[in-house]
Amino acid sequence: EDQVTQSPEALRLQEGESSSLNCSYTVSGLRGLFWYRQDPGKGPEFLFTLYSAGEEKEKERLKATLTKKESFLHITAPKPEDSATYLCAVQEGAGSYQLTFGKGTKLSVIP
Amino acid sequence: DTGVSQDPRHKITKRGQNVTFRCDPISEHNRLYWYRQTLGQGPEFLTYFQNEAQLEKSRLLSDRFSAERPKGSFSTLEIQRTEQGDSAMYLCASSLVRGSGGYTFGSGTRLTVV
Repeated sequence: EDQVTQSPEALRLQEGESSSLNCSYTVSGLRGLFWYRQDPGKGPEFLFTLYSAGEEKEKERLKATLTKKESFLHITAPKPEDSATYLCAVQEGAGSYQLTFGKGTKLSVIP
Repeated sequence: DTGVSQDPRHKITKRGQNVTFRCDPISEHNRLYWYRQTLGQGPEFLTYFQNEAQLEKSRLLSDRFSAERPKGSFSTLEIQRTEQGDSAMYLCASSLVRGSGGYTFGSGTRLTVV
């Protein structure tokens, strides 16, 4: 069973059409939940870290929220340059620094 | 600082050959990580160093894989007797011991085994 599941796998939006990406997780003892953006042929780019249920963080058109079982990445009025794959990752347990990633959501924003 | 640097960007090798990749982390970062990513998948953890000590290693990591971080600076990842299944993007990341928790990734080395 996957520990981190992202949905949808792919999402096409018109420019300005707001939406949300979902990341559900089944780990116990969550130490942190991370959102990354990845462009083709490049490494992931760090966006946010969330540590506890109820926490929210914002950056430009992006807002990340966290509950006890899932996280949402809300994209408000997206632009074509927001097109990328968005990856969610969790870090669990004490003493472990590895991240477990989901498969990502490929976002395409059409002008 | 230009971020995390990885070399080479691309490597094509014949099955059975050995390959070595290099990663130069952000200079003040004392943690360094190696991940592997295949098409359509998220990155998969391989191993992690704090300074020169290798503290964590994935159970999935074959004994054909070895990583070093001499003197706690750059790191190398070697794959011996490469197989076609080793074809992937190999990503390096670094972070501070204390910080926001976000890792800075390099652009990766794409390995193709033919």
